[in-house]
Amino acid sequence: RKEVEQDPGPFNVPEGATVAFNCTYSNSASQSFFWYRQDCRKEPKLLMSVYSSGNEDGRFTAQLNRASQYISLLIRDSKLSDSATYLCVVLAGSGDKLTFGTGTRLAVRP
Amino acid sequence: GEEVAQTPKHLVRGEGQKAKLYCAPIKGHSYVFWYQQVLKNEFKFLISFQNENVFDETGMPKERFSAKCLPNSPCSLEIQATKLEDSAVYFCASSPTDRLNQPQHFGDGTRLSIL
Repeated sequence: RKEVEQDPGPFNVPEGATVAFNCTYSNSASQSFFWYRQDCRKEPKLLMSVYSSGNEDGRFTAQLNRASQYISLLIRDSKLSDSATYLCVVLAGSGDKLTFGTGTRLAVRP
Repeated sequence: GEEVAQTPKHLVRGEGQKAKLYCAPIKGHSYVFWYQQVLKNEFKFLISFQNENVFDETGMPKERFSAKCLPNSPCSLEIQATKLEDSAVYFCASSPTDRLNQPQHFGDGTRLSIL
């Protein structure tokens, strides 16, 4: 079993749609959680950190459920520019390596 | 600098040749990480440094791969006697130590092609 599991997709949605991605992790001692975005094998860019209380940044909402070891990302009002691979990323502790999911590919069509 | 700087962007080597990649972390970041991304999108952790000290090398292949972070120099990742399967994008990332559990910031990557 992979340490971080994601549905690889692709998710193919029209502009304006709402789309949700899910992720589960196996290491219950993990301390920090992030969503990164990667375009066409460029470098991963931090989209947002994920907190237990849930957090929102514009059209993006992230949620963490520590009991279920589950992380989610919701994108509202999808734009063409949201097309990318979304990586669920887990950090065990300060200075530790990041553990990546395999990514979920999103394609937003006109 | 304000970004993680990796050089070169592309590197082509014949099988059996040496490859050397460089990374300058964000100024003030004391953790440096190397990851390898192959075709299926999976990121493989290779090695991390805290300043010039190896912090975690559990991902480094035992043979052929070595890495250094020396004071006042870019960090480097060197692959001796390259093999076809070393073809990948190698990303360097850095993070600060002044706050706990900070996300890592990635460089543009070096695309290594072994022919």
